[in-house]
Amino acid sequence: DTEVTQTPKHLVMGMTNKKSLKCEQHMGHRAMYWYKQKAKKPPELMFVYSYEKLSINESVPSRFSPECPNSSLLNLHLHALQPEDSALYLCASSQPGTSSVSEQFFGPGTRLTVL
Amino acid sequence: AQKVTQAQTEISVVEKEDVTLDCVYETRDTTYYLFWYKQPPSGELVFLIRRNSFDEQNEISGRYSWNFQKSTSSFNFTITASQVVDSAVYFCALSGAYNFNKFYFGSGTKLNVKP
Repeated sequence: DTEVTQTPKHLVMGMTNKKSLKCEQHMGHRAMYWYKQKAKKPPELMFVYSYEKLSINESVPSRFSPECPNSSLLNLHLHALQPEDSALYLCASSQPGTSSVSEQFFGPGTRLTVL
Repeated sequence: AQKVTQAQTEISVVEKEDVTLDCVYETRDTTYYLFWYKQPPSGELVFLIRRNSFDEQNEISGRYSWNFQKSTSSFNFTITASQVVDSAVYFCALSGAYNFNKFYFGSGTKLNVKP
């Protein structure tokens, strides 16, 4: 089973709303990632969790708050977003890189629209 | 610094034509990894290949082939006898020894295969 699932598929929210994106994998991977992708651009790394600990935060605004409750789950809590935060949010997982690199497996993404 | 350049923004071919997608990378690491991903209109990034810096063997998988040349810092991707289902955005990515969990993506090449 090489699948990463994300819910919801689509999300529309106002600037005052609080919502969460969810990601789940059952491949036994111990690294999980959040990316943001704007139209016609490559994915931009936001956060990396390795062994359930935040290892990379790419200077993401605090209105995005990640959470890794266990090795299979990754959440992204959203609060007071701006219209420019509208994008495709991709989750990925891999074996954590220490002495080598494993490929990252991506979920289908959540298309977020902020009104 | 790590950098990936995909100079071809968009390529259009007619079905059954061969097409090569270019990828040029920059890194000072002696150990690094290169990847190709496919992103169809549905949004999910699909892993195609991983190659480490010590393995310069070219690889063929069905209609796909990859040419890795360290001398020119290139990792090009060729699709033979293209099909409409190959239409997608293709990303080349690089990961280096400083942080294996961080991928540097190129800007992507949009491939349009017309029937």
